[in-house]
Amino acid sequence: DAGITQSPRHKVTETGTPVTLRCHQTENHRYMYWYRQDPGHGLRLIHYSYGVKDTDKGEVSDGYSVSRSKTEDFLLTLESATSSQTSVYFCAISERLVVDTGELFFGEGSRLTVL
Amino acid sequence: AQSVAQPEDQVNVAEGNPLTVKCTYSVSGNPYLFWYVQYPNRGLQFLLKYITGDNLVKGSYGFEAEFNKSQTSFHLKKPSALVSDSALYFCAVRAYNTDKLIFGTGTRLQVFP
Repeated sequence: DAGITQSPRHKVTETGTPVTLRCHQTENHRYMYWYRQDPGHGLRLIHYSYGVKDTDKGEVSDGYSVSRSKTEDFLLTLESATSSQTSVYFCAISERLVVDTGELFFGEGSRLTVL
Repeated sequence: AQSVAQPEDQVNVAEGNPLTVKCTYSVSGNPYLFWYVQYPNRGLQFLLKYITGDNLVKGSYGFEAEFNKSQTSFHLKKPSALVSDSALYFCAVRAYNTDKLIFGTGTRLQVFP
């Protein structure tokens, strides 16, 4: 299994509070992604990173921000959590771009509940 | 619009029987197609991909997928299902001229003993 650790694995929080999810990898892969998984929607891309301090928005980025100050860490922050952000969040890494036939390796997910 | 569709929420099959999980896509240019599997409480795992070449692609755990350009489909198949194949399966396609994957909504495969 690829060395990807997500923390926390489970979190319950209240509306309006800030939340940070961490993705840590030991593979030294350049590319990192944050997805959310919701029933009926599959996986949707929130933000992604092509390297240290190089990030960009995915299809559902509103309400989320990211940071990548080190190759191994990719942080996802919800500045003010809302109930619509209740979801399972997955971090993924890749050694190569998808266009270069790179495969994604996923972490085990972080289940976030916003009350 | 670029998209991928998995028309079945759930597929039920008896152990030992062949299985098919359907996927159709809509994307500009040549499609890059992928299948991933998710076991309970785990992240997704890569199964196989089609980029170019032979329309029948072989992947992990005895799975294969058939690319059909005229029908814009990429169905996942296995000749003989195992109970341990029970999981959630996702089809994905690379969005044209980007490095992003578009995932389907997933199909739950249930293999009964």
